[in-house]
Amino acid sequence: GAGVSQSPSNKVTEKGKDVELRCDPISGHTALYWYRQSLGQGLEFLIYFQGNSAPDKSGLPSDRFSAERTGGSVSTLTIQRTQQEDSAVYLCASSLRTGPGTQYFGPGTRLLVL
Amino acid sequence: ILNVEQSPQSLHVQEGDSTNFTCSFPSSNFYALHWYRWETAKSPEALFVMTLNGDEKKKGRISATLNTKEGYSYLYIKGSQPEDSATYLCAANPVYGGSQGNLIFGKGTKLSVKP
Repeated sequence: GAGVSQSPSNKVTEKGKDVELRCDPISGHTALYWYRQSLGQGLEFLIYFQGNSAPDKSGLPSDRFSAERTGGSVSTLTIQRTQQEDSAVYLCASSLRTGPGTQYFGPGTRLLVL
Repeated sequence: ILNVEQSPQSLHVQEGDSTNFTCSFPSSNFYALHWYRWETAKSPEALFVMTLNGDEKKKGRISATLNTKEGYSYLYIKGSQPEDSATYLCAANPVYGGSQGNLIFGKGTKLSVKP
């Protein structure tokens, strides 16, 4: 079946603008995760969803970041008033359920804030 | 807080060489250990998930071992090929300080295999 898809694949924006990143998980996967990789850093956990609820938002770096998931499927990560330090690769992953099982990743969105 | 460390940061080998990388994590706060392979402009690809001390997993020329008591995992590649060139990521599920399932990643080992 289809894997995890993300859009856009690349996004260039100006500082101060809002951006929306989209993730379409593998069908039937109830758990969805957002990570990001900034230059020179490892992948950093942002937020995860179990169904439509987000029990853990502790990884979101500031209140400019928010995420939602509707219908237990597609998720959007919104960054308001983007800053240059938001430039990173944003990766989405899904798994059958939360826990230690394999997470399947999308190809990522490369965000550049000028 | 769970910190995952990987070494070396980068590695350059010749085609046919065998190589290995190290991942270390706090043994007191560990639930599962994952290895991923990430090629540029592609999705990270899951290689292995291991949970038990002494676990060994194999996939073709790639294998991994896990020591939960001392907090390390090794990834081995036998007879490296140019197509093995990628960044190899290690990630751990913590018992404490993390939610169910979020992965704590190391910074990766970037492998380059020259023909």
